[in-house]
Amino acid sequence: AQSVTQPDIHITVSEGASLELRCNYSYGATPYLFWYVQSPGQGLQLLLKYFSGDTLVQGIKGFEAEFKRSQSSFNLRKPSVHWSDAAEYFCAVGLPNTGTASKLTFGTGTRLQVTL
Amino acid sequence: DGGITQSPKYLFRKEGQNVTLSCEQNLNHDAMYWYRQDPGQGLRLIYYSQIVNDFQKGDIAEGYSVSREKKESFPLTVTSAQKNPTAFYLCASSILSGQETQYFGPGTRLLVL
Repeated sequence: AQSVTQPDIHITVSEGASLELRCNYSYGATPYLFWYVQSPGQGLQLLLKYFSGDTLVQGIKGFEAEFKRSQSSFNLRKPSVHWSDAAEYFCAVGLPNTGTASKLTFGTGTRLQVTL
Repeated sequence: DGGITQSPKYLFRKEGQNVTLSCEQNLNHDAMYWYRQDPGQGLRLIYYSQIVNDFQKGDIAEGYSVSREKKESFPLTVTSAQKNPTAFYLCASSILSGQETQYFGPGTRLLVL
């Protein structure tokens, strides 16, 4: 069965510092990959996604992620963190399909705290 | 504005009571999903539906039921058989394109009295 691992439960960074959130997956094929962000008590907002092609994908709010097939990873990065980035971040994977609903598997999330 | 709405924002359930969570979307999406979120466990799929009048169980369907009578609506009923219903419930939707992205509603927090 597929699985997604976010090894860091909680990360604290200073405002203006760079950020990298780790995501590793276990899948039989190259999956679709997503990063979502969740503010407290809110729904999930899509940051970026990878389906195919260029392995470095750009998202909203200045985030990017790189798909590394050899490492089964899809790490999220931001060069300079803002205090408003404090939230919980979820990595998710789904299987390519042909018109049937895609079931996503989510990691357990990484909570980001930003210090001023 | 297009989007997904969930109501109510907070819901309280008494012992032995069934409660229904609403999810509506005006994105013309084909598929809809219900997830349960517990602290430290990420999101777990309860049910999903690809088309009207059809739905499939997810990973944790026991104690829940759904219906899909209209494309825009996918209500979730938490039955009295669900012994630990306290959680944050998220609804999502997507088009069926082979490269779906799921978009989420704002969630409903269910608490037990």
